[in-house]
Amino acid sequence: GAVVSQHPSWVICKSGTSVKIECRSLDFQATTMFWYRQFPKQSLMLMATSNEGSKATYEQGVEKDKFLINHASLTLSTLTVTSAHPEDSSFYICSANSGSGSTDTQYFGPGTRLTVL
Amino acid sequence: QKEVEQDPGPLSVPEGAIVSLNCTYSNSAFQYFMWYRQYSRKGPELLMYTYSSGNKEDGRFTAQVDKSSKYISLFIRDSQPSDSATYLCATTGYSSASKIIFGSGTRLSIRP
Repeated sequence: GAVVSQHPSWVICKSGTSVKIECRSLDFQATTMFWYRQFPKQSLMLMATSNEGSKATYEQGVEKDKFLINHASLTLSTLTVTSAHPEDSSFYICSANSGSGSTDTQYFGPGTRLTVL
Repeated sequence: QKEVEQDPGPLSVPEGAIVSLNCTYSNSAFQYFMWYRQYSRKGPELLMYTYSSGNKEDGRFTAQVDKSSKYISLFIRDSQPSDSATYLCATTGYSSASKIIFGSGTRLSIRP
């Protein structure tokens, strides 16, 4: 099946710093990528939808100036958490569509665990 | 009311047992339903994808959708310790290409 990678897998940073997370589709081109956040023992919540070459669409309640998304190529999307605070500590997961955009062709990355001290 | 409701568990069963995982959803117009498996500190993996009502079988896994009661189920036969994970039900609502709405997940543990 299609492979999606994320880097880093785990990051610890100080409060007030910025952190960049990369999401790559390794063996297919993804016109659309999605970013999710998952708090402990909770489900995945969609943060934003990212289309290559255009601005991301953010879900209600997600601060676009805090969570910067760049989808510069068909295989790479980045999420930058700016001025991170302890409440931003979470598991961030990306996914990418490999085909027609149907859900059964959406593949998830392994996730990035962010801890803000 | 949440669009997808799921009992968080945890659920613990002995190896070899039949496992039944269930969710309910709020909108009778929803047609696309999925089950994902998520191991600890990993991304979710698509297990089953169904459209409308009925059953779908894949090996030891069977997904069932009952639109009359807005109920979706996942059955695991001959459960194995490697099946221990969190299982998430999900829907994309009316369209197969819409955003995924996840249930809260059920933590399942299979005892050897």
